[in-house]
Amino acid sequence: RKEVEQDPGPFNVPEGATVAFNCTYSNSASQSFFWYRQDCRKEPKLLMSVYSSGNEDGRFTAQLNRASQYISLLIRDSKLSDSATYLCVVNRGSARQLTFGSGTQLTVLP
Amino acid sequence: DVKVTQSSRYLVKRTGEKVFLECVQDMDHENMFWYRQDPGLGLRLIYFSYDVKMKEKGDIPEGYSVSREKKERFSLILESASTNQTSMYLCASVRGLAAQDNEQFFGPGTRLTVL
Repeated sequence: RKEVEQDPGPFNVPEGATVAFNCTYSNSASQSFFWYRQDCRKEPKLLMSVYSSGNEDGRFTAQLNRASQYISLLIRDSKLSDSATYLCVVNRGSARQLTFGSGTQLTVLP
Repeated sequence: DVKVTQSSRYLVKRTGEKVFLECVQDMDHENMFWYRQDPGLGLRLIYFSYDVKMKEKGDIPEGYSVSREKKERFSLILESASTNQTSMYLCASVRGLAAQDNEQFFGPGTRLTVL
């Protein structure tokens, strides 16, 4: 079983749609959770950290469910510029090391 | 503005060659990482370093070594390149371990092709 699993997609959605991604992780000792965004042929960049209480940043909402060991990302009112691969990232026991999911590809269509 | 740079965007080498990939960060970060990224496999950690001259193996260190002689510079070395090392190599740095400090900043990547 992979440490971090994501549906690879692709998710093709029209502009304005709401789309949700889920991610499961296997290490119950993980303490830090993130969503990174990676544009085509670019490096990953932090989109948002995921906190136990859930957090929101504009159109983006992240949730953590420790009991079920999954993380979600909700994007409301999708824009063309949201087209990218979204990486679910979880730390291991050591905060220095992160485990990256293989990503979920999103394409927002006009 | 945070900056991580890598020595080359594209590199083509032959089987058996020794390959050096360099990464430099200007943020005075202590922790630096080397990953490779392959389709369907995500980013996999090769080596990381949490201080000058310190290094730790990641998940796939075989066939690689690293060097950290200065805080800002972290080099990845392929001792004898093989075709299965064809990949995108990404360097990252992190300020610290506290939650507010652990964002990883990535370089633009080096796409290495081994023929």
